Amino acid sequence: KQEVTQIPAALSVPEGENLVLNCSFTDSAIYNLQWFRQDPGKGLTSLLLIQSSQREQTSGRLNASLDKSSGRSTLYIAASQPGDSATYLCAVTGTGNQFYFGTGTSLTVIP
Amino acid sequence: DGGITQSPKYLFRKEGQNVTLSCEQNLNHDAMYWYRQDPGQGLRLIYYSQIVNDFQKGDIAEGYSVSREKKESFPLTVTSAQKNPTAFYLCASSMQVNTEAFFGQGTRLTVV
Repeated sequence: KQEVTQIPAALSVPEGENLVLNCSFTDSAIYNLQWFRQDPGKGLTSLLLIQSSQREQTSGRLNASLDKSSGRSTLYIAASQPGDSATYLCAVTGTGNQFYFGTGTSLTVIP
Repeated sequence: DGGITQSPKYLFRKEGQNVTLSCEQNLNHDAMYWYRQDPGQGLRLIYYSQIVNDFQKGDIAEGYSVSREKKESFPLTVTSAQKNPTAFYLCASSMQVNTEAFFGQGTRLTVV
């Protein structure tokens, strides 16, 4: 069964800093990897989707990379802002017809 | 507005009662999912449906039931057989299974 791990579980940075969130998965036979943002008590908002044939995707200040062979993805956030404070989740899909989620990284950006 | 609507946002029920959570999407997606989220744990799949009139059990289906009579609707019933039903429930949809997923705002169920 696919296992997804996100490290660190929590991260606190000063405003303006660039940061990297990590996601690792045990089975490299994936179709897609998706990064989400979740605000407290809310649903998930899709940030970026990387297909298995791609190496990275960019959206504004966000850049996600995928190294399928090593089972790793990173989400890079440039020039962090207090509004970026949230929990960030990664999920992978594969032959199991479902999304396997990590437990998330809780990010706090300090003004 | 296109999206996924879950209702209600908060739900309180007495132990032993069945309760149904609503999920509606107007994205014309074939696949729909129900996940459960508990503090400190990742999202866990309850049921998913690839197409109308078809659905499959996920990792934690015991004590839950679903139906998919219409493409846009995928209601989840939490039965009295579910031993620990208090949780945050999230509905999602995607064009097809294993494509980009979109989530609703969730329903927080509290059973007392």
